[in-house]
Amino acid sequence: GQQVMQIPQYQHVQEGEDFTTYCNSSTTLSNIQWYKQRPGGHPVFLIQLVKSGEVKKQKRLTFQFGEAKKNSSLHITATQTTDVGTYFCAGRWHNFNKFYFGSGTKLNVKP
Amino acid sequence: DAGITQSPRHKVTETGTPVTLRCHQTENHRYMYWYRQDPGHGLRLIHYSYGVKDTDKGEVSDGYSVSRSKTEDFLLTLESATSSQTSVYFCAISESGTGFGEQYFGPGTRLTVT
Repeated sequence: GQQVMQIPQYQHVQEGEDFTTYCNSSTTLSNIQWYKQRPGGHPVFLIQLVKSGEVKKQKRLTFQFGEAKKNSSLHITATQTTDVGTYFCAGRWHNFNKFYFGSGTKLNVKP
Repeated sequence: DAGITQSPRHKVTETGTPVTLRCHQTENHRYMYWYRQDPGHGLRLIHYSYGVKDTDKGEVSDGYSVSRSKTEDFLLTLESATSSQTSVYFCAISESGTGFGEQYFGPGTRLTVT
């Protein structure tokens, strides 16, 4: 079946350090979404990428979609304790009318 | 947050009993989804609906059925609960005409099957 591989599974950083999580697909994706889930909460949509090589920024967050549309990354600059949570990617392939979620990267930020 | 509620929020049930979880939305969105979340597996799609009485299977649909008789309600039924169905269940809705837009998630239902 279709799979989106997400790494790392866990990341512990000191406040102020950068953080990156990666998602990879063996086949070309149509689009990819990113979500954040705070501890005990529900996933919250962050962004959707559609175009090859697309880069989008939201304050300290930078999202990239690879040129081949097989990989994507989320980079957080200068992490803050409010960034704590699990970050998920969700990919969709052509002719598939649903999204498949990666297993998530759990970010812990030490103050 | 989008107007999505789930009920119950917590449930403990015994193996072999039927269980129905309810998702209710006030956004009039066309697409509704049921996911389960387990450690190490992220979110896995169980079933989804693209309109009243229009549903389709997701990647982990065995042991689950759904119904959608009204735009605002999407029910998930475990006909005979098993311990492997212990999980957190999330409902989500999407407003995109093709269902490929952002998904808004409900607060979740924690189900324990003993």
